[in-house]
Amino acid sequence: QVQLVESGGGVVQPGRSLRLSCAASGFAFSSYGMHWVRQAPGKGLEWVAVISNDGTNKYYADSVKGRFTISRDNSKNTLYLQMNSLRAEDTAVYSCAKDLGLYCTRTSCSSYGMDVWGQGTTVTVSS
Amino acid sequence: DIQMTQSPSSLSASAGDRVTITCRASQSISNYLNWYQQKPGRAPKLMIYAASSLQSGVPSRFRGSGSGTTFTLTISSLQPEDFATYYCQQSYITPQTFGQGTKVEIK
Repeated sequence: QVQLVESGGGVVQPGRSLRLSCAASGFAFSSYGMHWVRQAPGKGLEWVAVISNDGTNKYYADSVKGRFTISRDNSKNTLYLQMNSLRAEDTAVYSCAKDLGLYCTRTSCSSYGMDVWGQGTTVTVSS
Repeated sequence: DIQMTQSPSSLSASAGDRVTITCRASQSISNYLNWYQQKPGRAPKLMIYAASSLQSGVPSRFRGSGSGTTFTLTISSLQPEDFATYYCQQSYITPQTFGQGTKVEIK
């Protein structure tokens, strides 16, 4: 069945780095754009980043731009989120999600929603 | 960035009630508006995409409408399994943004 499984979360000190992974199965991973979305404890959903199916286009939320990097390895059916210079406000459950249909230009991506989600991995930034 | 504002933030309703949630965008997003349902401890579930298209497997009591800047999610007859938090999301332009959520509680 279609599945996304995140890993790599944990407790990390402010200023340190962490890399999250999202293993995809049950669908043609290389054909779809992918997102990272996070949810701080007791808060709403916050979109973090998107990557096109071939990895060419990448866009970020202002809150993480310059600190986080989204990437993918289509040969391994895996999505990544490299998180550097972590802050307390980055504490959240991080989920990866498959896009229903992503269209990207040089300046932005448009899409029609995220139809498959992982259960998330928890990142806690604390000293 | 495009701001998404949902109303109300929460509501109490009974099974069988008709429920309407509104989502407003700070600028036109055409029909690039999606609705998600989230239950505690669970991943969000796509309910409606492209403003009015029902995602596969979602009951027909869920209906989305609107275009431009104002959108609505209507549940025609609330069922016990519908009590959850609902989020709208604009996917017209990056950064994509979510509304703050609407919690639908049992009256």
